[in-house]
Amino acid sequence: EAGVAQSPRYKIIEKRQSVAFWCNPISGHATLYWYQQILGQGPKLLIQFQNNGVVDDSQLPKDRFSAERLKGVDSTLKIQPAKLEDSAVYLCASSLEVWGGVTDTQYFGPGTRLTVL
Amino acid sequence: QKEVEQDPGPLSVPEGAIVSLNCTYSNSAFQYFMWYRQYSRKGPELLMYTYSSGNKEDGRFTAQVDKSSKYISLFIRDSQPSDSATYLCAMRSGSGAGSYQLTFGKGTKLSVIP
Repeated sequence: EAGVAQSPRYKIIEKRQSVAFWCNPISGHATLYWYQQILGQGPKLLIQFQNNGVVDDSQLPKDRFSAERLKGVDSTLKIQPAKLEDSAVYLCASSLEVWGGVTDTQYFGPGTRLTVL
Repeated sequence: QKEVEQDPGPLSVPEGAIVSLNCTYSNSAFQYFMWYRQYSRKGPELLMYTYSSGNKEDGRFTAQVDKSSKYISLFIRDSQPSDSATYLCAMRSGSGAGSYQLTFGKGTKLSVIP
C-alpha cells in the first residue's frame, strides 16, 4: 500500500513570497490533516478535512494560510505572504476515520521542509 | 502550563539498555494515548496505541497509561541502534467535537550507542 505522498520535500523562499505544498493521501482515506512542526516541537494541527469539507481550521492563520481539498482526494496548503516564523516542516497525514469514529490511525507523509529567509 | 509535557532530552543509552520515555498531561478528558516514532527527516509513524489506563505490550515495546497521575510511559527493552529516533507522545479525548484532534508532546530524542 502506498503511503502519504508530499511534494516538494524542501523549499526555500524569501519572506513575503508565496508557497504551496501538495499532499496525496492513502487511497480511500476520508480524513486528511495538515500539521506544522517547528524545530524541536511536536506537530501542531493546522486544518482537518473530512472528504472535501473542512472539519477544523481553528489553528490555521487564515490571514496568510489557505488550504483546499478538491474532490476529496489531493490537498494543497498555501502560504501567502510567508513570514520568517513560518519556517517549519509541514506534515500531511491521512486516516480512514469518518465523522463520529473514535478510533483512527493517522499515517504521516515525509513532510515539506520550508525555510523562509 | 502546556497540555502535554515531554522532556526533549537528548537521551543517550548503550545498546541493550532499557529505555523509559515519559509524558505528563493536564487535560483529564484525554482517553486515547499514542506513541509515535520519528526518524530524522521523516514523518512520524505510529508505534503504540492505548485506550484509558493500563499496559500494552508489542514486542520490545510496552506502553503504560496511569490516568490517575496523568502520566504515560513507553518502555523499550533490549534497545537497538535502529531505535535511535525522536519519540513523540500524542493524545486525544475521543468524544465530542474536536475529539479527533491529536495533542503532541515536544518529543524526546533518543540515541542508542552500539
